[in-house]
Amino acid sequence: GESVGLHLPTLSVQEGDNSIINCAYSNSASDYFIWYKQESGKGPQFIIDIRSNMDKRQGQRVTVLLNKTVKHLSLQIAATQPGDSAVYFCAENQITYNQGGKLIFGQGTELSVKP
Amino acid sequence: KAGVTQTPRYLIKTRGQQVTLSCSPISGHRSVSWYQQTPGQGLQFLFEYFSETQRNKGNFPGRFSGRQFSNSRSEMNVSTLELGDSALYLCASSLGQGVSEKLFFGSGTQLSVL
Repeated sequence: GESVGLHLPTLSVQEGDNSIINCAYSNSASDYFIWYKQESGKGPQFIIDIRSNMDKRQGQRVTVLLNKTVKHLSLQIAATQPGDSAVYFCAENQITYNQGGKLIFGQGTELSVKP
Repeated sequence: KAGVTQTPRYLIKTRGQQVTLSCSPISGHRSVSWYQQTPGQGLQFLFEYFSETQRNKGNFPGRFSGRQFSNSRSEMNVSTLELGDSALYLCASSLGQGVSEKLFFGSGTQLSVL
């Protein structure tokens, strides 16, 4: 049958405001999570990661929160800038020992920053 | 340090043809993974190679195959192309040493099948 495109959730914020992007993950056994940013015409770019033994991790202007009880991740971007406009993906790592490279990606959220 | 390099950047093929895509990982990275990105299915894992061996494979038909060379460079091949194979094919590299590793992505090869 005809495929239907994913309807990306969108988030529109004013420049200078804080942004919160949410993600639900699927596997309670996942032990590592990554947020990626993808700009048009480019591959996903690493933003920040967190291991399952943590519930919060901070980077430069970004914070990731992990709630394992409800299998939920969030990415907080402080003082959002026009250059932050992109699609943001969360990914969970279901690597088992001696196997690699398999990330399960969420559907993505499109962030639009208004100047 | 140079990032992940994928060639070619764009490809146009017709149904039934085959295609080979190339990926050069970050220097020192021994793991190369391939992903397919489409508007309909999002980002989906194809396979992963480490030290010339396929360690992990996603749920794609046998028309999709890959290999890795001794210098860690990787190629993926799609035979008997179908219209639905039109996608952005992304390569990612990592050290391949642990279960919690960042994957670094290239800019991808945009494949259009006519």
